Amino acid sequence: ILNVEQSPQSLHVQEGDSTNFTCSFPSSNFYALHWYRWETAKSPEALFVMTLNGDEKKKGRISATLNTKEGYSYLYIKGSQPEDSATYLCACNFGNEKLTFGTGTRLTIIP
Amino acid sequence: NAGVTQTPKFRILKIGQSMTLQCTQDMNHNYMYWYRQDPGMGLKLIYYSVGAGITDKGEVPNGYNVSRSTTEDFPLRLELAAPSQTSVYFCASSYSRAAGYTFGSGTRLTVV
Repeated sequence: ILNVEQSPQSLHVQEGDSTNFTCSFPSSNFYALHWYRWETAKSPEALFVMTLNGDEKKKGRISATLNTKEGYSYLYIKGSQPEDSATYLCACNFGNEKLTFGTGTRLTIIP
Repeated sequence: NAGVTQTPKFRILKIGQSMTLQCTQDMNHNYMYWYRQDPGMGLKLIYYSVGAGITDKGEVPNGYNVSRSTTEDFPLRLELAAPSQTSVYFCASSYSRAAGYTFGSGTRLTVV
């Protein structure tokens, strides 16, 4: 069983502060890592897909890094805003057609 | 461009009833997936398809069936509904196994 672990489970951050959270995965057979943003009552929305060790992706105030050798990815949010409140899902592809999802980090921004 | 369309959005079933959750996409994606989301459990893969005529089981396929007669459509069938199938169901599609998924809006199913 290939587990994708996310930490922390939940996080409260003051508006304007920066934050980050982690996705850990087994590095054997790794093919790709996805990050999704999932707002309450909506469906998950793709943020990034990364495949290579050292990859860094950025979208506005959100960025992500990937370390495939040690099996982790960080998602960073700079200057948090209330609209960043959501669950952030990490998922990995281990060389087949399926994604294995983590259970997510629930982020709440406090105004 | 509609993306991934799921119907219905909500449904209440009685134990033993059957139903089909519809999923259609207009992006010409070969890969399609059905997930269920249970509280605190994350997304679990039920079935997936890599192209028309091809389907395969995911982690939790028991109690479900799928078909993929066209590239666009990937319906999920529940034959004998059980309370354990109460969940939120998401359909998703992608153009390759490394591409980001596009998700439908979900179907909230309650079996009583």
